Amino acid sequence: GAVVSQHPSRVICKSGTSVKIECRSLDFQATTMFWYRQFPKQSLMLMATSNEGSKATYEQGVEKDKFLINHASLTLSTLTVTSAHPEDSSFYICSAKDRRAGLGNQPQHFGDGTRLSIL
Amino acid sequence: QKEVEQNSGPLSVPEGAIASLNCTYSDRGSQSFFWYRQYSGKSPELIMFIYSNGDKEDGRFTAQLNKASQYVSLLIRDSQPSDSATYLCAVKKGPGGYQKVTFGTGTKLQVIP
Repeated sequence: GAVVSQHPSRVICKSGTSVKIECRSLDFQATTMFWYRQFPKQSLMLMATSNEGSKATYEQGVEKDKFLINHASLTLSTLTVTSAHPEDSSFYICSAKDRRAGLGNQPQHFGDGTRLSIL
Repeated sequence: QKEVEQNSGPLSVPEGAIASLNCTYSDRGSQSFFWYRQYSGKSPELIMFIYSNGDKEDGRFTAQLNKASQYVSLLIRDSQPSDSATYLCAVKKGPGGYQKVTFGTGTKLQVIP
């Protein structure tokens, strides 16, 4: 089945550090990838939709200058949390959709997530 | 009103019983419905998806969709302790592959051995 690799799985760093998270589709090409954030005991909240070769679309309330998204190829999207603070500590999850699915309703494939802890 | 609503639980069922998980959604234009299972500290994994009214069965799992009532459910037969997890209902609006999916807050299921 389709595999999405997310790296790193866990990050612990000091306040003010910038952290980059990678999301790769291993056996398919993904024109679109999605970045979610999940706080404890809460649901997934979509942060942004990442489109290959163009600017990401951010959800309301998500600071695009703080959460930088780059989708430079059909298999890689990166999320950079700039100048991270303790309130940014969360579980970040990416997902991707096979470009061959076209405009169909096929589900997304999720990465294993990155647990970010800012001290 | 939340776009996708689920009872947070926990829902406790004995091993071997049927677990029934429910979800309602607010947008009548929604066309795709997904059930994901999420173990603590892990990312979601797809259980089933359904597009048409009625039932869809896959092994021990049955998804049920009633668009008139804006209701989707997941039945788990012969529940096992390994089924203990949080189950997320997700809904996608309309056609178009890249419209966002909205998740419910999840129902925690506990299967008691």
